[in-house]
Amino acid sequence: KQEVTQIPAALSVPEGENLVLNCSFTDSAIYNLQWFRQDPGKGLTSLLLIQSSQREQTSGRLNASLDKSSGRSTLYIAASQPGDSATYLCAVWGNGNQFYFGTGTSLTVIP
Amino acid sequence: DAGITQSPRYKITETGRQVTLMCHQTWSHSYMFWYRQDLGHGLRLIYYSAAADITDKGEVPDGYVVSRSKTENFPLTLESATRSQTSVYFCASRMVSTEAFFGQGTRLTVV
Repeated sequence: KQEVTQIPAALSVPEGENLVLNCSFTDSAIYNLQWFRQDPGKGLTSLLLIQSSQREQTSGRLNASLDKSSGRSTLYIAASQPGDSATYLCAVWGNGNQFYFGTGTSLTVIP
Repeated sequence: DAGITQSPRYKITETGRQVTLMCHQTWSHSYMFWYRQDLGHGLRLIYYSAAADITDKGEVPDGYVVSRSKTENFPLTLESATRSQTSVYFCASRMVSTEAFFGQGTRLTVV
């Protein structure tokens, strides 16, 4: 069974800082990896999707990288803003047709 | 409206009652999923479906039943609700190589 881990569980940074969120997975046989954000009491919003053949994907201030062989992905957020405060989740899609989530990183950006 | 919708958004039911949560998507995505989200456990997969009339168990299927007679609908039924099934339930859909999209969630309370 695929195990997905996100470290740290919580992170607090001052506004303007660049930061990195980490995601690791145990089975490297994945089709793709997706990053989401979740605001309190809300659903999940898709941020970035990286296919297994890609190394990175960018959207605005967000950049996600994927190293499939080592079972790792990072989400880089540039020039953080208070509006970035949320829980960030990664999820991997693999051979078993199941879509597994990490437990998330709760990010607080302090004005 | 295009997208993925869940109903109801909020539900209170009594222990032992049957309750059905609905999920409808307009993209004709082949894969659909049901998750529950609980503090301390993150998102856990209940059931998933690769196509109409094809369903399979996830991590926590006990006490739940699903069906998928049409591609666009994937209802989740709690046959005899228990307090431990109090949770927020999310439905999602995707194709293999595309982003997964989530519904807004159903907050279920079993009293």
